Amino acid sequence: AAGVIQSPRHLIKEKRETATLKCYPIPRHDTVYWYQQGPGQDPQFLISFYEKMQSDKGSIPDRFSAQQFSDYHSELNMSSLELGDSALYFCASRRGDGYEQYFGPGTRLTVT
Amino acid sequence: AQTVTQSQPEMSVQEAETVTLSCTYDTSENNYYLFWYKQPPSRQMILVIRQEAYKQQNATENRFSVNFQKAAKSFSLKISDSQLGDTAMYFCAFMKRGYGGATNKLIFGTGTLLAVQP
Repeated sequence: AAGVIQSPRHLIKEKRETATLKCYPIPRHDTVYWYQQGPGQDPQFLISFYEKMQSDKGSIPDRFSAQQFSDYHSELNMSSLELGDSALYFCASRRGDGYEQYFGPGTRLTVT
Repeated sequence: AQTVTQSQPEMSVQEAETVTLSCTYDTSENNYYLFWYKQPPSRQMILVIRQEAYKQQNATENRFSVNFQKAAKSFSLKISDSQLGDTAMYFCAFMKRGYGGATNKLIFGTGTLLAVQP
């Protein structure tokens, strides 16, 4: 069965640089969630999209922005990166008539 | 606001034995879902089991079962016949029930690190 795809899987950036993380949901899933998991932490919700519209927003810094495109893939744009942004970023998708969220493998971002 | 509490940071169990992981939550919502996710060393988040709050029957998935006590706001996970591959971080998670396409985020507990010993 198809799974959630995230790219890149690993990313190394320097402080003040910009990063773009991509997420391709499971086919026919119309909802995408982004979570951030810091070292030794539980995943924290950042933002979600339903049918290409932002549906909920969590503890996402103003330096971050995201969108969902017409093909339902989503991108998380991160600017002015800080050391504290180093984390595992998960994307999860959900089918509109379901409630389970299926997670991608994550993107490990390291800011040096 | 909803909160999820896992009071056992680490647990250990012998292979083939049974272990129970605890989870409590706080919410004023009546319609919601509860989940257990497993995160092995690969860091992949794997859904283990889910429970709809409106269902009284406890969910079961092979060796994994839950004890859902809605009044007590408790949602424990029992792993029977523990296997080495069960070694992982286990997260309990809460999600409000949404309507009409509304999306709702997962709220996670801090996790329990389970080690299965040979």
